[in-house]
Amino acid sequence: EDQVTQSPEALRLQEGESSSLNCSYTVSGLRGLFWYRQDPGKGPEFLFTLYSAGEEKEKERLKATLTKKESFLHITAPKPEDSATYLCAVQATGSARQLTFGSGTQLTVLP
Amino acid sequence: DAGVIQSPRHEVTEMGQEVTLRCKPISGHNSLFWYRQTMMRGLELLIYFNNNVPIDDSGMPEDRFSAKMPNASFSTLKIQPSEPRDSAVYFCASSLGGREGEKLFFGSGTQLSVL
Repeated sequence: EDQVTQSPEALRLQEGESSSLNCSYTVSGLRGLFWYRQDPGKGPEFLFTLYSAGEEKEKERLKATLTKKESFLHITAPKPEDSATYLCAVQATGSARQLTFGSGTQLTVLP
Repeated sequence: DAGVIQSPRHEVTEMGQEVTLRCKPISGHNSLFWYRQTMMRGLELLIYFNNNVPIDDSGMPEDRFSAKMPNASFSTLKIQPSEPRDSAVYFCASSLGGREGEKLFFGSGTQLSVL
């Protein structure tokens, strides 16, 4: 069974304080790993897709990296508007369109 | 583009009543997904359609749940009869398919409360 574990569950940072969120996964074969951002009262918003170990993607203050067992979402010099829940999901090979989501990391960036 | 549109935004009903949730996907997207989100179980895929055809409904919890997609621009998720444990946020998402297929665009969700 595919499993995704995210840590920490919650993270509070001061504005400008860089940090990383972790996503550990177990799948029979990885087709893709996805990061989404979810704001309160809204649906998840797509951020990145990573397909193979060693791949990196960047968007503004966010950088996602992937290894064979985990992914990191690095947040550099965060701003209060980066506050949100960040969700990680995996798609296993042969799983058709099924995404298995982690429970998320709730990030709060204080001004 | 208006994005994925869901209605209603909030639904409060009593146990035993029928509930119908509605979704309009992004024009041109050929795949549509229904997800449910709860604190305990997170985001769970209920069912997805490809070109209006249900492909995988293994996530539908039981026979009380049904979903339809009569055309490319409309889908419904129905719960009959509803139970308090069905209380959750229900999201609809759509995608283009292909290698980009996993890039899901979510609606704002329907907050369902069954009393």
